[in-house]
Amino acid sequence: GAVVSQHPSWVICKSGTSVKIECRSLDFQATTMFWYRQFPKQSLMLMATSNEGSKATYEQGVEKDKFLINHASLTLSTLTVTSAHPEDSSFYICSAFKGTGTGGNEQYFGPGTRLTVT
Amino acid sequence: RKEVEQDPGPFNVPEGATVAFNCTYSNSASQSFFWYRQDCRKEPKLLMSVYSSGNEDGRFTAQLNRASQYISLLIRDSKLSDSATYLCVRSGGYNKLIFGAGTRLAVHP
Repeated sequence: GAVVSQHPSWVICKSGTSVKIECRSLDFQATTMFWYRQFPKQSLMLMATSNEGSKATYEQGVEKDKFLINHASLTLSTLTVTSAHPEDSSFYICSAFKGTGTGGNEQYFGPGTRLTVT
Repeated sequence: RKEVEQDPGPFNVPEGATVAFNCTYSNSASQSFFWYRQDCRKEPKLLMSVYSSGNEDGRFTAQLNRASQYISLLIRDSKLSDSATYLCVRSGGYNKLIFGAGTRLAVHP
């Protein structure tokens, strides 16, 4: 199997503080991880692609200085929401890409982190 | 136009019913398509890949029509446990996944 964990599973923080979310691939190495955000009753929106050993690639409209991504090892990517505001409250989900070697697209999702900013 | 469009539902059906979901996509260059299932407050889970030849997995049948840029999912003999949101997904470049907003299904006794 392929297991991806996220920590914390939920967090409440005050406006203006920073929050770090960890995404780990537990039984495989992932050179690429993805970070998504999902607001209630909306789709998962890709925020950025996290590449091990290099800078993340952000989707259009996502502030890279606000959402800091670090992919320091093949099993860990972190997303830091800096100076969080209530509008950043959302469900943040990561996924880790496990290449099949045959061109298959296998992404394994973490259980998500529910962030509430008060 | 959204990249992946789905009817949001909800679809309310009795147990045993057959229900079909449709999805359209705007990027004709997409190579791979999937249906994911998402339960409330949980991560999405892969239900099945979708192939042009059509594919079936138990009670679930998926179909892809590249000419019409249309994808479908058919669920036969609905179970209570099928209640969830079904997400239509296409591949983007660089191994990205592009999600539709999902179609909610509620199966009642």
